[in-house]
Amino acid sequence: QKEVEQNSGPLSVPEGAIASLNCTYSDRGSQSFFWYRQYSGKSPELIMFIYSNGDKEDGRFTAQLNKASQYVSLLIRDSQPSDSATYLCAVIGGSARQLTFGSGTQLTVLP
Amino acid sequence: EAQVTQNPRYLITVTGKKLTVTCSQNMNHEYMSWYRQDPGLGLRQIYYSMNVEVTDKGDVPEGYKVSRKEKRNFPLILESPSPNQTSLYFCASRPRSAMNTEAFFGQGTRLTVV
Repeated sequence: QKEVEQNSGPLSVPEGAIASLNCTYSDRGSQSFFWYRQYSGKSPELIMFIYSNGDKEDGRFTAQLNKASQYVSLLIRDSQPSDSATYLCAVIGGSARQLTFGSGTQLTVLP
Repeated sequence: EAQVTQNPRYLITVTGKKLTVTCSQNMNHEYMSWYRQDPGLGLRQIYYSMNVEVTDKGDVPEGYKVSRKEKRNFPLILESPSPNQTSLYFCASRPRSAMNTEAFFGQGTRLTVV
């Protein structure tokens, strides 16, 4: 089992819709959870981080964490074509030594 | 400006010719790491370093070496590159503490081994 798993997609949503991206992780002691956005050929850029169970909102983005289910998600409201990118889930495990990434979900927002 | 700088950005080399990709950060971060990114596989960690003179293997260390003689620099060395090391490489740094540890990434190095 991979340490961090994401649906690879591709995921397509129409402009203005809500995009929902999901991630599960295997290390129950994981402490910190991140969502990165990556445009093709570019460096990943951090868009959200979450440490506590529940929801965290920042503009059009909402991160949701459920440690009991070992599940973290990202919602993008009012999706825009500029949101089209690959979204990477990343987790710092219980040892705090490694930042482990999922394989990413490719999102396309259709105009 | 806080940044992680990788060089070169693009490199084409031949099998077996030793090469080094440099990485430097100006944020005084303790933790530095190298990732490679291949289609469908996401970012896979090659090596990481918790501090000067402290390095450890990540998930895919075979064929790579690193050193951490100074806090700011973390070069990636391919002693005898092979075509399966053709990939996009990223260096990243972050503070040591587990919480609030956004990783800052370099611009990436696209390596082709022929």
